[in-house]
Amino acid sequence: SAVISQKPSRDICQRGTSLTIQCQVDSQVTMMFWYRQQPGQSLTLIATANQGSEATYESGFVIDKFPISRPNLTFSTLTVSNMSPEDSSIYLCSGLAGGDTQYFGPGTRLTVL
Amino acid sequence: SQQGEEDPQALSIQEGENATMNCSYKTSINNLQWYRQNSGRGLVHLILIRSNEREKHSGRLRVTLDTSKKSSSLLITASRAADTASYFCATDRTDSWGKLQFGAGTQVVVTP
Repeated sequence: SAVISQKPSRDICQRGTSLTIQCQVDSQVTMMFWYRQQPGQSLTLIATANQGSEATYESGFVIDKFPISRPNLTFSTLTVSNMSPEDSSIYLCSGLAGGDTQYFGPGTRLTVL
Repeated sequence: SQQGEEDPQALSIQEGENATMNCSYKTSINNLQWYRQNSGRGLVHLILIRSNEREKHSGRLRVTLDTSKKSSSLLITASRAADTASYFCATDRTDSWGKLQFGAGTQVVVTP
C-alpha cells in the first residue's frame, strides 16, 4: 500500500487566519486529491492536485479559499484561507496508486475559533 | 453530492456476531472501495471491487457487488471489539476516474 503522511495532525486557529497543510506521498502515487470531512459527516472531494499546474476544483470549492500546490509528484499543500468556524473539519489528502486503489493520509483536524 | 447511500446508519452487535452493511449508488462505476475510520482519524483502505467482479474476500471481510442493482455489501464475520469504527463505501465513477464519491457511512459498535 502507498504511504501518505500529513502535517500538522491537528491545529486550532483563530478566525481570519490561514493554515497550510502538507501532504507527502511515496512514489507509487500518480494522482493526488484533497477531501474535507465536516463534523459527523462523510468525505467530500475538494480538488484534484495537478503536478505543476493549477488544481481542478469541484463544485462549491474555489481557489481563493483553498489554494493548492503540487510542485512535484510526491508533495502537495492545501491552504485554508481566511478561516471561519465553518471551516472546522478534518482535511485529508489521498493518492491513487496501482491504477485504482486510493489511499488516504491520517488527516488534519482543524478547529477554528 | 454524495453518490452512495449506506444502511444501516448505525449497527450495534456483540463480539463474535457478523456485521453486514449495504451501499447503493446511482451511476456507472469503475470500482467501489470500502474504508474504515476510527474515531475521526484517517481512512484505512479495506477492499476494492471492480465493476466486472461480483465478490471478493479479504480475511474476515466479504464484499459483494451487484451492478444491475447498483449496490454493494460489506460483511464482517466473527466481529471483534477492534472492529468498532465507521465504515464508508466510495465509488469511482466512469465519468470522473479517480474522484471518489462517498456514502454517508455506517457506524459499527462491537461490544465485548
